[in-house]
Amino acid sequence: AQKITQTQPGMFVQEKEAVTLDCTYDTSDPSYGLFWYKQPSSGEMIFLIYQGSYDQQNATEGRYSLNFQKARKSANLVISASQLGDSAMYFCAMRAQSRQSSTLGRLYFGRGTQLTVWP
Amino acid sequence: DADVTQTPRNRITKTGKRIMLECSQTKGHDRMYWYRQDPGLGLRLIYYSFDVKDINKGEISDGYSVSRQAQAKFSLSLESAIPNQTALYFCATSEGTSARYEQYFGPGTRLTVT
Repeated sequence: AQKITQTQPGMFVQEKEAVTLDCTYDTSDPSYGLFWYKQPSSGEMIFLIYQGSYDQQNATEGRYSLNFQKARKSANLVISASQLGDSAMYFCAMRAQSRQSSTLGRLYFGRGTQLTVWP
Repeated sequence: DADVTQTPRNRITKTGKRIMLECSQTKGHDRMYWYRQDPGLGLRLIYYSFDVKDINKGEISDGYSVSRQAQAKFSLSLESAIPNQTALYFCATSEGTSARYEQYFGPGTRLTVT
């Protein structure tokens, strides 16, 4: 079974500072993908970044980067130069890839971290 | 126009009523999913469908049913709504089951059962 753990219910950061949102995962599948989604107060789910389990480089998308440590099973999201508009709920999610997996195609979510950016 | 749409966006219903939430997509994806979100619990999978003839239960399917009317349409039904089904419901689609394919979410349906 897949499990995603986000241990920070809430985080606070000052505008223009960097912040790291933690995510650890557990899976027995050798091949998987890790995702981060942002959910602003309006409710929609916005895809931010993806990391494949076999990717050699850590993923980056603009101000977002993923600190992937496979041996530790962690996939932390780093937001650089925080902006007021970054205030939102952030979800880490995982998806198995191997065809033998009974959970192929399903996305498992953590409970989320509420990020507040203050001026 | 949005690629994944959900109707209604908000709904208040009474205990025991039957209600259907609808999802349509223009992305041409075969895979479609229904999730519910409860405060503090993240998103949990209710049902998913890999094509029109393939429907599978997720982790919290009790009390729900689905219908895949076409590649582009996937409906979620609550046969007899109960208050603990009050939640935010999301439909999502993806291009494939490979892990690298992100899921695209609809705007959500906020359901309240009184």
